[in-house]
Amino acid sequence: GAVVSQHPSRVICKSGTSVKIECRSLDFQATTMFWYRQFPKKSLMLMATSNEGSKATYEQGVEKDKFLINHASLTLSTLTVTSAHPEDSSFYICSASGGKGIDGYTFGSGTRLTVV
Amino acid sequence: QQPVQSPQAVILREGEDAVINCSSSKALYSVHWYRQKHGEAPVFLMILLKGGEQMRHEKISASFNEKKQQSSLYLTASQLSYSGTYFCGTEGADSWGKLQFGAGTQVVVTP
Repeated sequence: GAVVSQHPSRVICKSGTSVKIECRSLDFQATTMFWYRQFPKKSLMLMATSNEGSKATYEQGVEKDKFLINHASLTLSTLTVTSAHPEDSSFYICSASGGKGIDGYTFGSGTRLTVV
Repeated sequence: QQPVQSPQAVILREGEDAVINCSSSKALYSVHWYRQKHGEAPVFLMILLKGGEQMRHEKISASFNEKKQQSSLYLTASQLSYSGTYFCGTEGADSWGKLQFGAGTQVVVTP
């Protein structure tokens, strides 16, 4: 089955620094990947759609300059949280589809970001 | 627009059944169901497509009422491994590929 690898799984950073999170599709090509954010005991909130070779599409209320998305290849999308602040602390998860709609979307293992 | 999920939580004894509902106010192309264990990423269970058949994953099945834009997940003869938070994700007819998730239903199965 489709496998999505996300790295790092946990990161602690100082306020004001930037953090990069990688999402890789290991055994399939993904022209589109999705980035979600999840607060404790809450649902997944779609942040943006990452498109290979073009600009990401952000959901309403998500700051483009704050959350930089780069989809440089068919197997890699990165999310950079710039100038992180404590309120950015959250669980960030990426997902991608292997292409067959009936297989749903495969999620990465998630990245727990803590900004201190 | 976020779909509405109910109930918020359910506690079952092993072997009992439960139903989780998911409804949307917009026209849907598909409904996905995922289960998330604490501290882990969501795991895909099944997808219900517009015009498609009722789906099944082990003893978990789901249906999709296109007219009402509602889906139900049926946990039959629940097992301890069914514990977790279940999310429905809806894909709008006009926003293919983008999932909006419900608030989740926490399921606890006890021995």
